Amino acid sequence: ETVMTQSPATLSVSPGERATLSCRASQNINYNLAWFQQKPGQAPRLLIYGASTRATGIPARFSGSGSGAEFTLTISSLQSDDFAVYFCQQYYNWPPWTFGQGTKVEIK
Amino acid sequence: QVQLVQSGAEVRKPGASVKVSCKASGYIFSGYHIHWVRQAPGQGLEWMGRINPTSGGANYAQKFQDRVAMTRDTSISTAYLELSRLKSDDTAVYFCAREQGPLNMILHFDNWGQGTLVTVSS
Repeated sequence: ETVMTQSPATLSVSPGERATLSCRASQNINYNLAWFQQKPGQAPRLLIYGASTRATGIPARFSGSGSGAEFTLTISSLQSDDFAVYFCQQYYNWPPWTFGQGTKVEIK
Repeated sequence: QVQLVQSGAEVRKPGASVKVSCKASGYIFSGYHIHWVRQAPGQGLEWMGRINPTSGGANYAQKFQDRVAMTRDTSISTAYLELSRLKSDDTAVYFCAREQGPLNMILHFDNWGQGTLVTVSS
């Protein structure tokens, strides 16, 4: 099973600042990585797939990078609506499809 | 637009079974795998399995292999998750999610249901 490890667990950021979230896979997953945003009481929402492709309707301030086993999600200028939990997920080595444990982005 | 609408919250006693539904609309149901993912209170996301709506074939996570069943009814574009021999730590929100097509590729999850809370308590 491919273990996904996200860091940090919690990120405190002021509105307007840049946020950088990391996701590491325990083995090669090529570019088969997605990022999701989840707010309390809601389902996850797809932000990024293929490591760097924004999903439909996702603002340009969200960007993804990386390949192989190291990936990054960057939010260039945090808006109030961006404070949430972010999960990465690999879909290269399956089953199972596996998720990171999440990074909570909170207001500093 | 693509929508996945799940059935409502359930309460069960330990040892019982539960069946959750996921009704799809806005696309051709048979063309996309449906996955089931659960989230215990305050925890992360855990993949449970997926079903091919065309063939009915399913892949299950090893953890649930002996007590999970994923089925579908193509006539009403609905997928089902049944979990048996429930325990208190099965208390979670259960989500269905569509895997972007086509069926012969492995792709990301692009749409999710709203979630169904299953509470297991004596």
